[in-house]
Amino acid sequence: ETGVTQSPTHLIKTRGQQVTLRCSSQSGHNTVSWYQQALGQGPQFIFQYYREEENGRGNFPPRFSGLQFPNYSSELNVNALELDDSALYLCATRGSGGANEQFFGPGTRLTVL
Amino acid sequence: AQKVTQAQTEISVVEKEDVTLDCVYETRDTTYYLFWYKQPPSGELVFLIRRNSFDEQNEISGRYSWNFQKSTSSFNFTITASQVVDSAVYFCALSGFAGGTSYGKLTFGQGTILTVHP
Repeated sequence: ETGVTQSPTHLIKTRGQQVTLRCSSQSGHNTVSWYQQALGQGPQFIFQYYREEENGRGNFPPRFSGLQFPNYSSELNVNALELDDSALYLCATRGSGGANEQFFGPGTRLTVL
Repeated sequence: AQKVTQAQTEISVVEKEDVTLDCVYETRDTTYYLFWYKQPPSGELVFLIRRNSFDEQNEISGRYSWNFQKSTSSFNFTITASQVVDSAVYFCALSGFAGGTSYGKLTFGQGTILTVHP
């Protein structure tokens, strides 16, 4: 148990729709990162939030956006869904300090039809 | 740019065999972290180990051991006396050190699917 939860577990959307995925972490974990894992691939870094501001972004278009809230929860929003957005979306949280150990949630499986 | 390569896509062994998973990385950072994660069918990434780049001592934890060689940019993972429960996808990952631009951003390899047969 990592103390990181994600919702929903599974989601099916159609191309062009918008989706919001949620992540909740342990108290004190003020950094959250989101990753996209396509089938058969390693996770790819989308972006990271620290104290409610984006603090690093991978090679993902602006239609991928996020929010982090004071209660250590966060959201990943994806607009104008494309078929290639079908993947497992993982959030990872960590506290302050130099240990850099990230705790991953169980993921949300998104299918875009 | 950072890159992690796991050349072995799939490995199949029989229970009690030893198995080594290879990981080679590229980075311009002088200090960095290396990780191994396990991903069972449930999908959640399970943290196994974190190693600082300035600590080249090998590490053993039960049946698991890790061999870090900075000279060859490799961080290999060995499971001794494998068990069926070890069957999973294993990922090697790299991130920058505190204060660097890639701190907190994990760059993963493609993963190695390990199947341990009874």
